[in-house]
Formats: sequence, structure tokens, C-alpha cells
Amino acid sequence: DAKTTQPPSMDCAEGRAANLPCNHSTISGNEYVYWYRQIHSQGPQYIIHGLKNNETNEMASLIITEDRKSSTLILPHATLRDTAVYYCIAAYTGNQFYFGTGTSLTVIP
Amino acid sequence: DGGITQSPKYLFRKEGQNVTLSCEQNLNHDAMYWYRQDPGQGLRLIYYSQIVNDFQKGDIAEGYSVSREKKESFPLTVTSAQKNPTAFYLCASTPGTSGPWFGKNIQYFGAGTRLSVL
Repeated sequence: DAKTTQPPSMDCAEGRAANLPCNHSTISGNEYVYWYRQIHSQGPQYIIHGLKNNETNEMASLIITEDRKSSTLILPHATLRDTAVYYCIAAYTGNQFYFGTGTSLTVIP
Repeated sequence: DGGITQSPKYLFRKEGQNVTLSCEQNLNHDAMYWYRQDPGQGLRLIYYSQIVNDFQKGDIAEGYSVSREKKESFPLTVTSAQKNPTAFYLCASTPGTSGPWFGKNIQYFGAGTRLSVL
């Protein structure tokens, strides 16, 4: 499975959109991009996933570049409860994956 | 509510002692997983099970053992052979058996158990 690269930390003002980037330049054609988040000392929570097309659900939007080498998770109106570590994962199947150190997002009042 | 229950929330292990972490799910999921998380790090796979009475080693299985006698239960034993057991342990499950990342086979996680050494 492809490795992913994320900035270690980001800040976002409350009410503004939070845009979290992820680089997955070695992603293969059948690997999905998944986003999870982890609030301190809790289990990770699924946010969204996609393969080629942009995706949107009640929590966030996922924008995947045409070459699929990078993606952006968008939280449209960040709240203080969105402060967490966000993980971007590129994986296809099986149980081998790369769960990196993620991006620590701090939403500022 | 359906979900994954891990217990205890905090656990302390004495030198040379084996300890068992509990993981129960009522989601009727086929597959279950155990991960270890060290401070400031991502998750690493210890063991996984795709069906009752069968399980496979992950990347860091040494010093750990598991069983899957019931579909809803997947306990993890941290043995005395695990010399650095202090970590946050997470249990997860997926509906299908095609691995945690295949298509819509989304992983659901428990709240975790924090293990420390006395």
C-alpha cells in the first residue's frame, strides 16, 4: 500500500473551512484514499473515502486530484469539536496499510 | 447501540505477567483487528481475524496472542515475552472479510485500552 505524507499540524479558525492536504504520489490505480480522525485517547473515527471522484458526506468533502497523487479533506465549517489528529490512508485490500502520524488540526475560537 | 466495547479502559501489568484485553462487538461483523499505538505514532497491526477460529499475524505479532472462539469476541493477550507493552491498544472490526481497506469495508474502532507497566 502507498505511503502518505501529511503536514504535522495545522490551525483553523472556528467557522472557517479546514483544508487538510495529503500526498500519496505512489498510489496505485486500485487503491482507495481513506480519511479517519482521532480525538485524544479515543479510537479513530471514519470520515470519508474515495477512489477517483470527489466525494461528499455529512461530515466532509474529499477532493482527489486527477492524477490521484494527492487529495484534500475539507471540513466546511470547522468547530472546536473538530480538533483532532487526521489520518490519510491509501490502501486497496488485505491488511497491510500505512497509518502515519497524521495532521494535528487545532480549531481556534 | 451497536458498537465495539473494549475493556478495561486502563490496565497495569506487572513484570512477567500476562494480561488480557477484551474486545466485544455487536455489529455482526465478520472481521476483527488489534492495533497498537505508541505516543505520537500511527497504528500498527498486531493480529486480525476474518472468521471464527482463524486469525493471522500482523506486522508486530511477537509477544501477543489472540483467540476467536466467538464471532463477537476477539481478546488480545499481552504475554511476558512482550518487553515493551506500554501503549494504547485499539480493537476494530469490518463488515466483510476483504480486509479493512477494500472499497466500502470501513473499519469501526473501539475506545481503546491504555496499558502500562508497573
